[in-house]
Amino acid sequence: SQTIHQWPATLVQPVGSPLSLECTVEGTSNPNLYWYRQAAGRGLQLLFYSVGIGQISSEVPQNLSASRPQDRQFILSSKKLLLSDSGFYLCAWSTDSLSYEQYFGPGTRLTVT
Amino acid sequence: AQSVTQLGSHVSVSEGALVLLRCNYSSSVPPYLFWYVQYPNQGLQLLLKYTTGATLVKGINGFEAEFKKSETSFHLTKPSAHMSDAAEYFCAVSRSGNTPLVFGKGTRLSVIA
Repeated sequence: SQTIHQWPATLVQPVGSPLSLECTVEGTSNPNLYWYRQAAGRGLQLLFYSVGIGQISSEVPQNLSASRPQDRQFILSSKKLLLSDSGFYLCAWSTDSLSYEQYFGPGTRLTVT
Repeated sequence: AQSVTQLGSHVSVSEGALVLLRCNYSSSVPPYLFWYVQYPNQGLQLLLKYTTGATLVKGINGFEAEFKKSETSFHLTKPSAHMSDAAEYFCAVSRSGNTPLVFGKGTRLSVIA
């Protein structure tokens, strides 16, 4: 069966510090991968998605970036965090078409102080 | 462009009462439709999905939803609410072309004893 992991589970970082969040999927190959953010009191915001290694699509321009160095690994990064980057970050995966259902990881709670 | 509207950001029901969470969508192509549930500080979990075929779809935890093309709706129902149903619920719809799902803003369900 497929499993998705995210780490760390929680993170407290000062403004201006770098960020690296990691997501890995097990039990499937060539998945589509996604990064979402949930800010307090707001819905899901799609940040990035990837259909293959090295292929990244950005939905919202901001100070975050994503990379996919391996088939089942997806990394969310920032060089300098802003207070507004605080939120709950979710990674998800899907198979075949991007129109199919997504399966979500447990999330990372990021607090920027 | 495809979009999803969830009527009511917060719905409150008594334990044992009917749960009705509303979702309307706009789509220029036959859509795939999904409902997800999110418990506090967790990722989203797929409740049910409609792709093709029977318009009444049954999901986990006693939930079901009916695809009504004429009303462009995909409302989520459960005959009898349980305290454990208290969570955030998201409706999602596929988009034309090979692009990711669009999620509604979510409805928070509270269940009163």
